[in-house]
Amino acid sequence: DTAVSQTPKYLVTQMGNDKSIKCEQNLGHDTMYWYKQDSKKFLKIMFSYNNKELIINETVPNRFSPKSPDKAHLNLHINSLELGDSAVYFCASSQGHSQPQHFGDGTRLSIL
Amino acid sequence: AQSVAQPEDQVNVAEGNPLTVKCTYSVSGNPYLFWYVQYPNRGLQFLLKYITGDNLVKGSYGFEAEFNKSQTSFHLKKPSALVSDSALYFCAVRDNYGQNFVFGPGTRLSVLP
Repeated sequence: DTAVSQTPKYLVTQMGNDKSIKCEQNLGHDTMYWYKQDSKKFLKIMFSYNNKELIINETVPNRFSPKSPDKAHLNLHINSLELGDSAVYFCASSQGHSQPQHFGDGTRLSIL
Repeated sequence: AQSVAQPEDQVNVAEGNPLTVKCTYSVSGNPYLFWYVQYPNRGLQFLLKYITGDNLVKGSYGFEAEFNKSQTSFHLKKPSALVSDSALYFCAVRDNYGQNFVFGPGTRLSVLP
C-alpha cells in the first residue's frame, strides 16, 4: 500500500518536448513537494504546496510548473525540456512543514 | 539563508563498530533538523528529527542524533553498525520562519562485514 506514488518511474524523451510527472499520496497530508536530485545525488527543493500556498524555489525555471487537482495530487509539468533537466525527480508529502516528509521512489528523467 | 554541511563524502566502518555521520548547519532562529536515509533507486526515508527538547534524539533502526547548539551540529550515530546500514545519508534543516528545506550533500556510509 504505497504512501507516495509517482508515475512514470522512467521517462525518456527528446529535447524540446513537454512532459508531466504525476504524484499521489494516500496519507492525508496537507503539504506536498517536488525535489530534483542530480547525478551527484545533490537534492534540491523545487516547490512546496498546500491548499493555501505555493512556495517556489526562485532558482527553478518557469518551464516547470506544479499543478494540484486536489489535496492528494501534485503533478509536475515541464515545458521545452533541456538536456540539463535530466535528473531524478522526487515527490514528497508531510502534514505541515515541521513534520517528516514521506518520499516517493522517484522518476528518472533522461533527455536525449 | 540556511545551509547544511556534511563534511565527509564517504564514511567506512566495520560491522559491529559504532558509526558517526557528521552534520553542521547554519540557520536563522531555531532550527528544525532531520536525518534521512536513501537506498539505491529509492526515495528518502525519515530517520529522526529535532525540533525542541532533549538534545539526544532517538530514531528508527537504532539510530540517534545529538543536537549541539553551540557547535551548530547534529551528528548521526549508531552504537553498532550493520551491513544493511550501508546507504546514502542526508541531513536537512528548516528554519522556523520559512518553509524551505535545505538538504546537505549527503554522506555515503559503507559498513564492511
